This record gives sequence, C-alpha cells and structure tokens, in this order.
Amino acid sequence: IAGITQAPTSQILAAGRRMTLRCTQDMRHNAMYWYRQDLGLGLRLIHYSNTAGTTGKGEVPDGYSVSRANTDDFPLTLASAVPSQTSVYFCASSEAGGATDTQYFGPGTRLTVL
Amino acid sequence: GQNIDQPTEMTATEGAIVQINCTYQTSGFNGLFWYQQHAGEAPTFLSYNVLDGLEEKGRFSSFLSRSKGYSYLLLKELQMKDSASYLCALRDSNYQLIWGAGTKLIIKP
Repeated sequence: IAGITQAPTSQILAAGRRMTLRCTQDMRHNAMYWYRQDLGLGLRLIHYSNTAGTTGKGEVPDGYSVSRANTDDFPLTLASAVPSQTSVYFCASSEAGGATDTQYFGPGTRLTVL
Repeated sequence: GQNIDQPTEMTATEGAIVQINCTYQTSGFNGLFWYQQHAGEAPTFLSYNVLDGLEEKGRFSSFLSRSKGYSYLLLKELQMKDSASYLCALRDSNYQLIWGAGTKLIIKP
C-alpha cells in the first residue's frame, strides 16, 4: 500500500542524546515536511524540502536538522535532545506543483525527552 | 502576521448537523484546507477551498469567504466515528501551511 512510513513509532530519550527520526514515502512526491504537534497548538513546521537535494527552515527549526539525499527519504535529526522537544512528530509529503498540493501524513513518532 | 482561530471543542448529537468555524488573518492566501485527525492518529485530508463558495463531498461540505477571512466545515448525519479533531489550515504566500489548533468534536448518542 502506497504511503508514508515513520520510525520509530515511539521513543523515550535521555536529554543530550542524538536521535534520528526516519521518514520514507513511496508516492514519488517531490515535497516533504516535518511537523511537531503539541497539545493546544496547531501543527508547526520544522523543516521542509521542495525537491531532492534542497531543504528549508520552517517555523521552529532550532535544534533540528534534515537532509534529502533522494526523493523517498527525509530523516529528521535532533543533535542533542532537550525536554522541550518532547512532542509528536509527523512527516508529510505532497506532489508539489499540483492544483491543490495536498499534504499526506505519516503515522507519527511520539518522542519523550527526559 | 498570520492567525487562525477555531473553537477548541464542540459537542453534537448522533444524526445531527454541526458547523465548525475557522477565521483567519493573513497577508497572502493560496487556499484553505480541512483535515480530520482521530486521537492518536495522523491528520487526513478532507477538503480544499481556494475560491469563495461551498464545496460538497458526501456528508461533508466546506465553505470559504475570502473577503471575510472565514471558512466552515459542515458535517451532516453525524456518526459516532466522526468524533475527532478537525484542523483548519491556511496556505500562505510561501505555499506553506499554517495550522489552527484544531476543534475537538465530541459526538453523543
């Protein structure tokens, strides 16, 4: 079944540790996105990539980095995790350039930083 | 700046109709999306409006008034499975989505 997968599903991490959240899509979408979702707040964009080889900063990029070596994969790295990065992280993708450019979401990663 | 407002929570009865409002302020507008998100799951696309008026999709309809900075999602013949959060998102001048905090809809029998 085509779609977006994320790994891990959930993770508990000690503060100061490095962590990479994985995201893979098989829809051949050009654009990919990382969001975090916190209670009472809307989804906030961390980083995005409009096409393989390019990335951009979203609303809350500090403490996070991304890479886009190919079309399918868009990993998110926390270089040194802090408790404020406890959140649910969603990866999304879109065709980009289409009439609606609808974003489709992966199942999410629930991250707890202690 | 940009701002999106939607009610935090609404309650409705199974079989009834409910309207979830979304108001926004933005300097650039390139469409408005509605997504559904069940607890513990990912958001899923419901509807997209870029021109004024009503878009109907089965039991769900979405309305947009760009001059008023206003949209609503109308859900008819409510079913228990419609209990979820409904997210309004604005696509800005940079073609990025700005999200509201979501409206939690509780359906009672």
